[in-house]
Amino acid sequence: LAKTTQPISMDSYEGQEVNITCSHNNIATNDYITWYQQFPSQGPRFIIQGYKTKVTNEVASLFIPADRKSSTLSLPRVSLSDTAVYYCLVAAEGSGNTGKLIFGQGTTLQVKP
Amino acid sequence: EAGVVQSPRYKIIEKKQPVAFWCNPISGHNTLYWYLQNLGQGPELLIRYENEEAVDDSQLPKDRFSAERLKGVDSTLKIQPAELGDSAVYLCASSPSYGRAGELFFGEGSRLTVL
Repeated sequence: LAKTTQPISMDSYEGQEVNITCSHNNIATNDYITWYQQFPSQGPRFIIQGYKTKVTNEVASLFIPADRKSSTLSLPRVSLSDTAVYYCLVAAEGSGNTGKLIFGQGTTLQVKP
Repeated sequence: EAGVVQSPRYKIIEKKQPVAFWCNPISGHNTLYWYLQNLGQGPELLIRYENEEAVDDSQLPKDRFSAERLKGVDSTLKIQPAELGDSAVYLCASSPSYGRAGELFFGEGSRLTVL
């Protein structure tokens, strides 16, 4: 499975837009790009997934360029409660592929008042 | 709909003692995973079950770790004997047969402290 690279940490202030970019140069044709959010003392939570272009849901937006070698998770107007670790992963469909997800260290986002 | 349930949430034991963690996945999810998460690191897969069959246990330290999912529903992960380095969070996750690629549903985890 393709490995991903993302910044270890980011700081932001309440009300700002936060963009976390992830690099996945070896992404395969059938891989989807998936982002998870993890709060302290909780398990990771799936927040968004995309294959190409742009995906938006109630939590975030995901921007994927045409070459799919990177992706950007965008969190609009963050609040203190968005302080968490964000993981970028790639995986193809099927539990066998899902079971090989490599979480890495993720990006620790600290939102300040 | 109930999420993935794990127990206990916290466990403190002395080294060389046994410990067991229990997980009940989301109803209807055939695939169950046990992950290990060390402080400051992402989760790492220990074992994956498809129904009652362990289909990937390559990362499970079999000398001291064991797991079972006898009826293809809930699962137990055991460590015997525990070592200091086993202190970590043990996460259980599940996924449906035809869910989105890469989508796992995690429990809150069981935090183990070995003294």
